[in-house]
Amino acid sequence: DTGVSQDPRHKITKRGQNVTFRCDPISEHNRLYWYRQTLGQGPEFLTYFQNEAQLEKSRLLSDRFSAERPKGSFSTLEIQRTEQGDSAMYLCASSLWEGPPEAFFGQGTRLTVV
Amino acid sequence: TQLLEQSPQFLSIQEGENLTVYCNSSSVFSSLQWYRQEPGEGPVLLVTVVTGGEVKKLKRLTFQFGDARKDSSLHITAAQPGDTGLYLCAGGKTSYDKVIFGPGTSLSVIP
Repeated sequence: DTGVSQDPRHKITKRGQNVTFRCDPISEHNRLYWYRQTLGQGPEFLTYFQNEAQLEKSRLLSDRFSAERPKGSFSTLEIQRTEQGDSAMYLCASSLWEGPPEAFFGQGTRLTVV
Repeated sequence: TQLLEQSPQFLSIQEGENLTVYCNSSSVFSSLQWYRQEPGEGPVLLVTVVTGGEVKKLKRLTFQFGDARKDSSLHITAAQPGDTGLYLCAGGKTSYDKVIFGPGTSLSVIP
């Protein structure tokens, strides 16, 4: 296993378009997280899954954001009707369910909304 | 709402100096993790502290978890330019809770 993989690494989109990002976690990890990070800030929690169940979604997240993990393996994060304020690094991480939540991160998807 | 605060926000030091960065909360955490992040990359896990009062050492880095499990510190001895990066603390209220991150301490070690 090569670790957490995110695709694409970079995405430039026009305001109002929809975008979808993919995350492939470490295969034996059943916990998966999505975070958003802007320059110089810590990662901001968006949502997390235990297998295919979405356990929590940030109350700060608008209805334009949705995430799925249909088979408990890979996950997708979709942003509808993108806005310039959505420009950020979107990070995915995975961990085991048991024990301390030691998260392993992908390299992120850099989204630029123009 | 559980929040993690970190201080200082920025730190610029000369190679060879020692430094300490802090992570604080008003909430109790089941464990705290420390990560280091370089520009354009995802955070990389350095250590997990679980028991109140616990001290862990990783080469020149020493991590401590507060007795009440509400705070933690990271001490770097004889900093090197390769230590440059964003240091993040993170944790969950329980082992099964969401993991939140602090805002980070941006460290720059000047040769």
